[in-house]
Formats: sequence, C-alpha cells, structure tokens
Amino acid sequence: ELKVEQNPLFLSMQEGKNYTIYCNYSTTSDRLYWYRQDPGKSLESLFVLLSNGAVKQEGRLMASLDTKARLSTLHITAAVHDLSATYFCAVDQISNTGNQFYFGTGTSLTVIP
Amino acid sequence: SAVISQKPSRDICQRGTSLTIQCQVDSQVTMMFWYRQQPGQSLTLIATANQGSEATYESGFVIDKFPISRPNLTFSTLTVSNMSPEDSSIYLCSVALDKYSPLHFGNGTRLTVT
Repeated sequence: ELKVEQNPLFLSMQEGKNYTIYCNYSTTSDRLYWYRQDPGKSLESLFVLLSNGAVKQEGRLMASLDTKARLSTLHITAAVHDLSATYFCAVDQISNTGNQFYFGTGTSLTVIP
Repeated sequence: SAVISQKPSRDICQRGTSLTIQCQVDSQVTMMFWYRQQPGQSLTLIATANQGSEATYESGFVIDKFPISRPNLTFSTLTVSNMSPEDSSIYLCSVALDKYSPLHFGNGTRLTVT
C-alpha cells in the first residue's frame, strides 16, 4: 500500500521567515501534486510536478520533486499571514482502473504576524 | 478546470439511516473519486467511480456500506448506509480531467451522525 508522509504535521512560523515542508512517499511515482486547504473549505491545487527534478514556483511558494529519493519539498519564502492553511501533497498511481491519488498526512501552517 | 457541485453540503442524520450524496460535474470526465476526510485529518480514498461498471473500492471500504453509482460521465452518487457516529466526516467528490492533471474537488458534504 502506498504511504505518503509529510513533515512537519504542524508548523508555526513568523512572518518573513523561510521554511520547508517535506513529503516522502513509499513507492515509485513520477507525479506529485501539492494542494492547499483553508479551514472549512475544499482543496485547491497548487502545483503539479510530473518528472524528476521538476521545480515549480508561484509567489512565495516553490515545490520540487526528487523521484529517486521519493521526496518532494514545498519551500516557503518570507512567509505572510495569508499563507496560513493546511498543505497536502498527493501521489498518484496508475492501476488497471486508472489513476488513484493518495494524500499525505497534511501540514497545518500558521504564520504569526 | 471543472466545476463540481456536491449535494447536500451538510446533513445531520440518525444512526441506522442512509444518506446519498450527489456529485455533478459540468463536463464529461472519465476519472471520478470519492474521498473521506475526518476533522483535522488527511483525505482517505474510498473508491474510484467507474462509468458503466462497478466502483473500485480501497481496502477497508466495501460496497454494502458505501454503494456508488456512476450512470454517466458527469454524475455520481455515494451512499453511506446504516450510519453510525463513526461515519461522521466530510465526504468529497473529485475528478481528474486527464492522466496528468490534478484533482478538482467539490465543496464536500459534512455529515454528522447522531
């Protein structure tokens, strides 16, 4: 069974600081996704990483993928309060019935003014 | 992208009853999935809803408890049967537009079983 783990589970950081969230997965996959979830809301797609070495950036967030290490990172630069949310990574596996997406444990981020 | 309408948005149900959740997509999609998210937790895949065939269930989920219908490429239902308080959760419908696209989610159904 595919396992996807994130580290840390909870993160409290001050505005202006940098930090990295880690996502490890247990089996081979070339595709990894990052999502954001605000309290009481559904999930919003942030990044799609489709190959080894892929790097995507949007604003203060940058995601990367190392398929050999089965590791993705989400780097936060100069955090602002608006980034407070829960962040999930997800890995998909192709089976006979199509793609199946498995989510990480989530990282709850709080940015303190 | 896809617009996904999920109904109901929330419900409070009594133990032993069943609830059917509807998911309508504004375009035809091959891949549709049902997830469960318990408060403060991650998402757990319940099943993949396949058009024209039976759903494919993940370990720990069975058809008798979570029957799924997928009559066409824009619609699916998930029924939570014979509910118990442990079924209290958020149920999310999601779709993937193609093999490499991310999942798009409905707004979820917040279910409370008393």
